[in-house]
Amino acid sequence: GNSVTQMEGPVTLSEEAFLTINCTYTATGYPSLFWYVQYPGEGLQLLLKATKADDKGSNKGFEATYRKETTSFHLEKGSVQVSDSAVYFCALLTGGGNKLTFGTGTQLKVEL
Amino acid sequence: GAGVSQSPSNKVTEKGKDVELRCDPISGHTALYWYRQSLGQGLEFLIYFQGNSAPDKSGLPSDRFSAERTGGSVSTLTIQRTQQEDSAVYLCASSIKGDIQYFGAGTRLSVL
Repeated sequence: GNSVTQMEGPVTLSEEAFLTINCTYTATGYPSLFWYVQYPGEGLQLLLKATKADDKGSNKGFEATYRKETTSFHLEKGSVQVSDSAVYFCALLTGGGNKLTFGTGTQLKVEL
Repeated sequence: GAGVSQSPSNKVTEKGKDVELRCDPISGHTALYWYRQSLGQGLEFLIYFQGNSAPDKSGLPSDRFSAERTGGSVSTLTIQRTQQEDSAVYLCASSIKGDIQYFGAGTRLSVL
């Protein structure tokens, strides 16, 4: 079956530090890959996506590259801000597009 | 509407009571999804609607859970004879079929 594995949190960083949140997946076929973000008290928001191998999704300074050879979709940001504090979820969607399979989420805390 | 709307935002109920959770999707979105977010299980898929029919109900945890969608729009998730393990945040999402899923803020259900 399909599964997504994310690094355990919480991840605590100082403002302007470099961020990496690891995500690897197992899926049949060729999934689309997503990062969603959940700010405190809010619902999930799409952060970025990639639909095929070697695609790079980017938004708000965040980037992730679809790596088929390593089945990975790691999230990176060069300089985090306090406002980036949230829970980040990696997810995949396989052909047919009926349901997202999520990782367990990684909480990010950014401090001044 | 501008986004996916869910009501109520919070629901506290006693064990054994029935509850109804409502989701109003983005106008024009034909696909609607229910997920559950709980501490022990992370984010789990419950059910998917395309129009008014539900081709995938595979995530419903027991026959106490049911959902319907009317007029290709509003959906109601019903939990009968609630149990404490039903306590979770219930998230609704909608999409144009197979495309990005947009989430509501969720209903936090607490079963006492």
